[in-house]
Amino acid sequence: KNQVEQSPQSLIILEGKNCTLQCNYTVSPFSNLRWYKQDTGRGPVSLTIMTFSENTKSNGRYTATLDADTKQSSLHITASQLSDSASYICVVSDRGSTLGRLYFGRGTQLTVWP
Amino acid sequence: EADIYQTPRYLVIGTGKKITLECSQTMGHDKMYWYQQDPGMELHLIHYSYGVNSTEKGDLSSESTVSRIRTEHFPLTLESARPSHTSQYLCASSELGPANFGPGTRLLVL
Repeated sequence: KNQVEQSPQSLIILEGKNCTLQCNYTVSPFSNLRWYKQDTGRGPVSLTIMTFSENTKSNGRYTATLDADTKQSSLHITASQLSDSASYICVVSDRGSTLGRLYFGRGTQLTVWP
Repeated sequence: EADIYQTPRYLVIGTGKKITLECSQTMGHDKMYWYQQDPGMELHLIHYSYGVNSTEKGDLSSESTVSRIRTEHFPLTLESARPSHTSQYLCASSELGPANFGPGTRLLVL
């Protein structure tokens, strides 16, 4: 069964600190992995997308890594800001169909305190 | 900022009413999706479309229906709303890149 598991479920950090969020998946055949940021009551916004051949992708203070062999990804946030408080969702796409089905993790709820 | 719009943003309605949630995108994307998301839970695909006159049911069983008469428009209709339909509904579109999501519609059925 294709699944995406994220950890931790929730995380509280102080402003200015770094943190790393984890994503493990069993989706096969793998096409790409995306990290989204979802603010409360809003739709998800794409942060990064990585294909099989990419190991790392950065977007400002966000850096995503991918190990396609172990089927693991991480999202590292540097020098956190209050505005980083949100749910971070790992999404994996398969290439077994024309649609490229998306499989969603439940997200990590990040809270940044001043 | 992605050009995908949803209306209404919030809707409170009584049981048995018929409602239509609107979704429009200006990017010319062929693929469009409807997801349902309960608080703190993952998104579940309820409908998708490859293009005009193409609609399919997703993974999560839903009593809603969709139509795709125009590329830019993908409305979702509930013929008779029930309290179990209370949730957030997210519309998305994509081509080769990541899916772009709309802001969502929060539905409360009393």
